[in-house]
Amino acid sequence: GDSVTQMEGPVTLSEEAFLTINCTYTATGYPSLFWYVQYPGEGLQLLLKATKADDKGSNKGFEATYRKETTSFHLEKGSVQVSDSAVYFCALSDRNTGNQFYFGTGTSLTVIP
Amino acid sequence: DGGITQSPKYLFRKEGQNVTLSCEQNLNHDAMYWYRQDPGQGLRLIYYSQIVNDFQKGDIAEGYSVSREKKESFPLTVTSAQKNPTAFYLCASNARDRGVQYFGPGTRLTVT
Repeated sequence: GDSVTQMEGPVTLSEEAFLTINCTYTATGYPSLFWYVQYPGEGLQLLLKATKADDKGSNKGFEATYRKETTSFHLEKGSVQVSDSAVYFCALSDRNTGNQFYFGTGTSLTVIP
Repeated sequence: DGGITQSPKYLFRKEGQNVTLSCEQNLNHDAMYWYRQDPGQGLRLIYYSQIVNDFQKGDIAEGYSVSREKKESFPLTVTSAQKNPTAFYLCASNARDRGVQYFGPGTRLTVT
């Protein structure tokens, strides 16, 4: 079945450091891929998405490229800020399973000044 | 503004009582979902509904019940049969044939 695997945290970085959070997926069809962010005590917010192979999603300095050959959608940011501290979830939606969403377990990021 | 509302933000109940969590959306989405999130954990699907008057069990439906009488509303009842009900509950919705899934702000339920 469909699934998402993302790197375990927690991740702690200094301000202005480079961020990578790895995400790989398994899907029967051609899924859409997403990154969501969750701040403490809140719901999830869409950060970026990509709907087909080689698409790059980007938002607020974050980027992720849909790599079909490696079934990956790694999240990157060149220079993190304290305000980026949150939990990040990788997710997929697959038309073959009625657009059911599958989420990774989340990666907690803390950025220290 | 369109979105998903969940109420209340915090809910406290005594063990043995049923409690209903509210979820309303004005996005005209067909599909709605309930997830449970425990501290430091990911999301686990409780129930979902793709259309009015129809819903399916997710991965952890035991001890929960739902109804979908209106397109806008998908309330979740946590029954006394749920052994560990204390958690953060998230409601979400999306258009049936497309992503993105949108989330409400969540309800934190504490049962003592």
